[in-house]
Parts: sequence; structure tokens; C-alpha cells
Amino acid sequence: DAGVIQSPRHEVTEMGQEVTLRCKPISGHNSLFWYRQTMMRGLELLIYFNNNVPIDDSGMPEDRFSAKMPNASFSTLKIQPSEPRDSAVYFCASNLGSGRAYNEQFFGPGTRLTVL
Amino acid sequence: EDQVTQSPEALRLQEGESSSLNCSYTVSGLRGLFWYRQDPGKGPEFLFTLYSAGEEKEKERLKATLTKKESFLHITAPKPEDSATYLCAVQANGLISSGSARQLTFGSGTQLTVLP
Repeated sequence: DAGVIQSPRHEVTEMGQEVTLRCKPISGHNSLFWYRQTMMRGLELLIYFNNNVPIDDSGMPEDRFSAKMPNASFSTLKIQPSEPRDSAVYFCASNLGSGRAYNEQFFGPGTRLTVL
Repeated sequence: EDQVTQSPEALRLQEGESSSLNCSYTVSGLRGLFWYRQDPGKGPEFLFTLYSAGEEKEKERLKATLTKKESFLHITAPKPEDSATYLCAVQANGLISSGSARQLTFGSGTQLTVLP
């Protein structure tokens, strides 16, 4: 089992550039989550999908952020234009769904984003 | 609004020195409380889920307990490899506007260092 796969692992970009983060969830999982982790705010949920449909995007900080899940095995988080305050580690997680027995989330290794 | 407070922020122990980490929470109704371990440069790794007051879960040197207001993660005779940040998260009962389950709210974590 490969686990949740994220790419790139590190991204350094300049302010104003577009950034795209990628995630492949665990096969068979039907929920996918994007988180952001910073020292100041800890781990925050940005958006989550269930069966490829965005369910709750209330954590997306502003319109510069967008996320898509075109199929069950791939999701992207895009920031356009990027700003220095977007610098953080972005995690993708997946699980089997929202039933009680399946609340455990499996996290990917994260993408460390630095916006100069 | 769901709130999770973890204490202490950092804890240094000698190998073999048992201790406890605290997670205090405020939710309208608890669906589940989760403990995760996070190693530097990696994503959180699931440890336990607790659903009701009085419940306990154990894994090797770790034991998690739950009351109506807080959870403890007890570490018995820790080893240096137990050094990590331990995150607590809660999931509240109820549904969001889309009809889906509410998602996790994480605490800021306790950074544990076990010295040999």
C-alpha cells in the first residue's frame, strides 16, 4: 500500500506565481482532505471532498485558493496568485468516508511551500 | 465553535520517566476524539479514536483516556523513539449545511522529547 502520495515535496516560488499541489489518495478511499499547517495556526482544514464532490470549503482562505478532484485518484490545490503568507506545509489526507468506523484519516507526507 | 487546547506545549522527559499529555476540548456534542503522532517533516499518523467518556485505548507504551471535557495521553516508560509532536483532534456531532458530517478540529500539539 503506497499511502497518500503528494507532489511536489518542496516548492519554492516567487510572489505572484501560480502554484499547483497534487495529491493521490489511497485507493478505495472516497473522502479527501486538504490541510495547511503553520507554526502560528497549527493544522487547519481547507477543503474536503466526498466521492469527488467538494463538501465543505469554508476553510479556504480566499478566492486565490481553488481545489479540484476530477476523479477518485487525483486532486489538486491551486494558489493563484501566490503570496508570502501562503508559505506553509500543505497536507492531503484520505479516508473511507464519514461513518463512525471510518473517521481515521491517513495523511500524506506534505508539500512544503515557500513563497518569496 | 469547537475548540481544542493541548498542554503542555513542550515536554522533555528522561527515558523511562512516565508522564501525561492533556487535551481539553469544547464541542457542542462529541462524535469522536482522535490522537495523532507527527514526526518532523512527515504527516500526522493516526494513533487512537475515543468515542465516549470512560473509554480507554492502548498501544505499546501509550494509553489514551477520555472524559467529558478532556483526554489524556499517558506515556509509560518512554523511549527516545517516542519523541514527536502529539496532536489531538475532535469531531463534533451534527451536520454542516451540505448535510455532511463535520470535520476535525485540531489542537496545536505537544512536542515531546525523550532524552536517552
